[in-house]
Amino acid sequence: EDQVTQSPEALRLQEGESSSLNCSYTVSGLRGLFWYRQDPGKGPEFLFTLYSAGEEKEKERLKATLTKKESFLHITAPKPEDSATYLCAVQAASNQFYFGTGTSLTVIP
Amino acid sequence: DAGVIQSPRHEVTEMGQEVTLRCKPISGHDYLFWYRQTMMRGLELLIYFNNNVPIDDSGMPEDRFSAKMPNASFSTLKIQPSEPRDSAVYFCASSARGNTEAFFGQGTRLTVV
Repeated sequence: EDQVTQSPEALRLQEGESSSLNCSYTVSGLRGLFWYRQDPGKGPEFLFTLYSAGEEKEKERLKATLTKKESFLHITAPKPEDSATYLCAVQAASNQFYFGTGTSLTVIP
Repeated sequence: DAGVIQSPRHEVTEMGQEVTLRCKPISGHDYLFWYRQTMMRGLELLIYFNNNVPIDDSGMPEDRFSAKMPNASFSTLKIQPSEPRDSAVYFCASSARGNTEAFFGQGTRLTVV
């Protein structure tokens, strides 16, 4: 069964305390893995697309990596404005999209 | 560009009524997606269009749901008849490159009582 699981469900960090969010997936033929950020009351905001194992992408304090079973979103020296829910999604070979339920990140000043 | 525009922002309706949600994608984007988000099920893709043609509607939950895209600048998602379990936030998104770099609207919060 195709599915996406994100962990942890919630994460509280002190400002400057680096950490990683996990997205593990089982899917028939990965076409792409996507990371989004969602602020309360708003639509998701696209962050990254990864296509193959070993690929990495960076944007400011965020870096996404991909293996054959999971993806990590590394947050380096986070700031309070990084507080949001981070969503992971995969696109299967069938073109079906599957979303995780997200990790709620809170960065405390 | 003003981004993806959805209307209304909030909708409260009685069970059994018809509900129509509207979306204006970003000009030049040829992909349009409709999503539903709930606490229980998270974000779900309902249907997406490419060049105004529905490509995959396998996420549409039931025949009560229908979506149209009569032209490149407008799409609707209709629920008829609506039920309380349809209560959710409905998002529209558009992209010039498939699901990569999709831009989301602010969403329509639907409450069916």
